[in-house]
Amino acid sequence: GAVVSQHPSWVICKSGTSVKIECRSLDFQATTMFWYRQFPKQSLMLMATSNEGSKATYEQGVEKDKFLINHASLTLSTLTVTSAHPEDSSFYICSARGGTGSYEQYFGPGTRLTVT
Amino acid sequence: DAKTTQPTSMDCAEGRAANLPCNHSTISGNEYVYWYRQIHSQGPQYIIHGLKNNETNEMASLIITEDRKSSTLILPHATLRDTAVYYCIVRAIFGNEKLTFGTGTRLTIIP
Repeated sequence: GAVVSQHPSWVICKSGTSVKIECRSLDFQATTMFWYRQFPKQSLMLMATSNEGSKATYEQGVEKDKFLINHASLTLSTLTVTSAHPEDSSFYICSARGGTGSYEQYFGPGTRLTVT
Repeated sequence: DAKTTQPTSMDCAEGRAANLPCNHSTISGNEYVYWYRQIHSQGPQYIIHGLKNNETNEMASLIITEDRKSSTLILPHATLRDTAVYYCIVRAIFGNEKLTFGTGTRLTIIP
């Protein structure tokens, strides 16, 4: 099956700093990537959808200037949490979907962000 | 707003079949039923999906009622590693429809 990786798997950063999370599709070209956030004991909440070479589309209530998404290639998308605060501590999960004719989404293993 | 309703939690004895129900009474004709599961601190894992016929793969079976308003995911011989949150999702397969996760069912396999 298609494999999606994330890096890092966990990160601790200080309040006010920025942190970048990478999402890679390892064996297929992902024209669309999705970023989810999951707080403890809650479900996954979609943050944004990004298409390669285009600006990301953010879900209502998600600050686009705080959560910067770049999808510059067909195998890599990045999420940068800018000026992180403790309330941004969460489990961030990406998923990727292939090109024309491919509608399945494959999920990465997630990145645990802790802001101190 | 989730289009599915699932029990919050279920227990199942190891080695027995785990039957997880899902109600999706407002499902449209072009929407599939998908099942994913999430083991603690991992990303969701695809299990199975179907439109109207029953489906089976190496992981599970999916039984969809004739009116398509509900379905049941069956794990035939549950193991401890099947302990996870199971999400039932309805989604149109064409277009750019997103996967929207509800609260899922927390399945605990009891030794």
